[in-house]
Amino acid sequence: NAGVTQTPKFQVLKTGQSMTLQCAQDMNHEYMSWYRQDPGMGLRLIHYSVGAGITDQGEVPNGYNVSRSTTEDFPLRLLSAAPSQTSVYFCASSYSYREDYGYTFGSGTRLTVV
Amino acid sequence: AQSVAQPEDQVNVAEGNPLTVKCTYSVSGNPYLFWYVQYPNRGLQVLLKYITGDNLVKGSYGFEAEFNKSQTSFHLKKPSALVSDSALYFCAVREFTGGGNKLTFGTGTQLKVEL
Repeated sequence: NAGVTQTPKFQVLKTGQSMTLQCAQDMNHEYMSWYRQDPGMGLRLIHYSVGAGITDQGEVPNGYNVSRSTTEDFPLRLLSAAPSQTSVYFCASSYSYREDYGYTFGSGTRLTVV
Repeated sequence: AQSVAQPEDQVNVAEGNPLTVKCTYSVSGNPYLFWYVQYPNRGLQVLLKYITGDNLVKGSYGFEAEFNKSQTSFHLKKPSALVSDSALYFCAVREFTGGGNKLTFGTGTQLKVEL
């Protein structure tokens, strides 16, 4: 049981480049989300999904797109990378969006935009 | 809107001493409260959670937290700290909104336990 798998672990981009951060879970979790972690700001929600075909914006969605074509995968796309998007990105999933389930986190993707 | 405050960026404790990491929250409905721990270069792991019931919640690795509704607090405690407890700790609140619940995190508290 792999849990939540994020790839790549590290990435350096040039300003204006695009890329996709991958997130996959094998637990049949309904709920998936993306957070970014910045020093002194904790984790901030970018986008989330309550099931295949359903996505919604979180606190800081600008500059990012998501899709959820399958239950397992929830990729995060950076359309045109900016230095302000330098951060550590975490994907998290939960069995359901019911309130008594905790989140399972991936190990993170460290992104640097130069 | 829900929010979480962790007033201390860092807490230093000697091994064997009790530790407390503070957390206060703001939410309009009933809160679902969590403590997560993050070790270096790792994702977050849940330590404990409060949903309903007993205000004192016991979690992994000997940690516990007390839910105080009147003070809107959920402080993390451990009677005797270990060097291996050194990590980044996040308090989080979750409110079921009907359209998908969202977990709001505090800014994190770095716990350093020294010999």
